[in-house]
Amino acid sequence: DGGITQSPKYLFRKEGQNVTLSCEQNLNHDAMYWYRQDPGQGLRLIYYSQIVNDFQKGDIAEGYSVSREKKESFPLTVTSAQKNPTAFYLCASSPMGGGQPQHFGDGTRLSIL
Amino acid sequence: AQRVTQPEKLLSVFKGAPVELKCNYSYSGSPELFWYVQYSRQRLQLLLRHISRESIKGFTADLNKGETSFHLKKPFAQEEDSAMYYCALSETSGSRLTFGEGTQLTVNP
Repeated sequence: DGGITQSPKYLFRKEGQNVTLSCEQNLNHDAMYWYRQDPGQGLRLIYYSQIVNDFQKGDIAEGYSVSREKKESFPLTVTSAQKNPTAFYLCASSPMGGGQPQHFGDGTRLSIL
Repeated sequence: AQRVTQPEKLLSVFKGAPVELKCNYSYSGSPELFWYVQYSRQRLQLLLRHISRESIKGFTADLNKGETSFHLKKPFAQEEDSAMYYCALSETSGSRLTFGEGTQLTVNP
């Protein structure tokens, strides 16, 4: 069954702690994305990657880091530098090229203890 | 830089009434536009894209370049249409999307 898998579904972070959100896809898509979803603000792009071993900052990259060592995996680390990390995080993937629709995972809800 | 605006955060209609969710964009090039929908307890999914010029679940959207709009319309709303709707824009040469703030549609019985 093709799709995008995000884990965990819920994650709690202590002050000063880094946490990593997992995103895996088996759609053979070249491009992958991380968004942050806050009420009333829509989806804001954190990072995206169009090819293995390469990624670009989105609109709100500060306090986050990513890696793309494999085509199917694009983990997001929320660092202690992110002062307001409580949010719903969505991962997506798409084929390369302009105008391609994106496929989304179920999301991870991150909360601060 | 591109920008997408959905002026209504909340929209409430009665079953059987027409519904229009507004979307305006600013982009200097020729954009690709999409509507995504998120039903309760489901993942965000593509509803339709302007390039396909198709009708999905009775919804249509026409790109108006003069007014820089891509409003989503349905002539007779159904209760199952209740959901969060996002308008999104993609550059023709790239894959990243810019999303609007979203409109929560509620269709009352």
